[in-house]
Amino acid sequence: ETGVTQSPTHLIKTRGQQVTLRCSSQSGHNTVSWYQQALGQGPQFIFQYYREEENGRGNFPPRFSGLQFPNYSSELNVNALELDDSALYLCASSPPQGDAGELFFGEGSRLTVL
Amino acid sequence: GNSVTQMEGPVTLSEEAFLTINCTYTATGYPSLFWYVQYPGEGLQLLLKATKADDKGSNKGFEATYRKETTSFHLEKGSVQVSDSAVYFCALEGSYIPTFGRGTSLIVHP
Repeated sequence: ETGVTQSPTHLIKTRGQQVTLRCSSQSGHNTVSWYQQALGQGPQFIFQYYREEENGRGNFPPRFSGLQFPNYSSELNVNALELDDSALYLCASSPPQGDAGELFFGEGSRLTVL
Repeated sequence: GNSVTQMEGPVTLSEEAFLTINCTYTATGYPSLFWYVQYPGEGLQLLLKATKADDKGSNKGFEATYRKETTSFHLEKGSVQVSDSAVYFCALEGSYIPTFGRGTSLIVHP
């Protein structure tokens, strides 16, 4: 069974640029959620996708957007990057009929904005 | 809104000591409660969960009991090992949106 995989693992961008992060969900999982984890903090919920539709969103501005594809993989896009966007971005998948909080995480993509 | 408060770390213990990491929460309704663990260089892993009041979640020697009257979900282990050194996150799920605490770092010395 393949777990959640994310790419890239590390990347560096400059302020104002755009970034796309990718996530492949665990086999059989149809729900994907994204989190921002700043250094020394817990993960902050960005949004969740189920059957290719966004079905929950945290307190993040519209420049954070996403997609889910028919194979349940997902992308997180961030436009007009700001310095405070520097963080570890975590993707998590969850199985059908599972608890919404029972999440299977990838190892994350570490974004540095200069 | 929902929130989770964890004790500040780091918590530093000797091997075989007793561990308690405190977690309290604020939420509407009856959320499910979780503990996640993040080992160095790895993603978060679900450690245990409890879905209703008085439930006890347990795994790998760790336990936590869902206390609705005190809105708490403290993590305990009777005898920690060096391999338990990690960051522990308390979390709740309410209205399908998970909320995490800030995490508590545990350091276990031989």
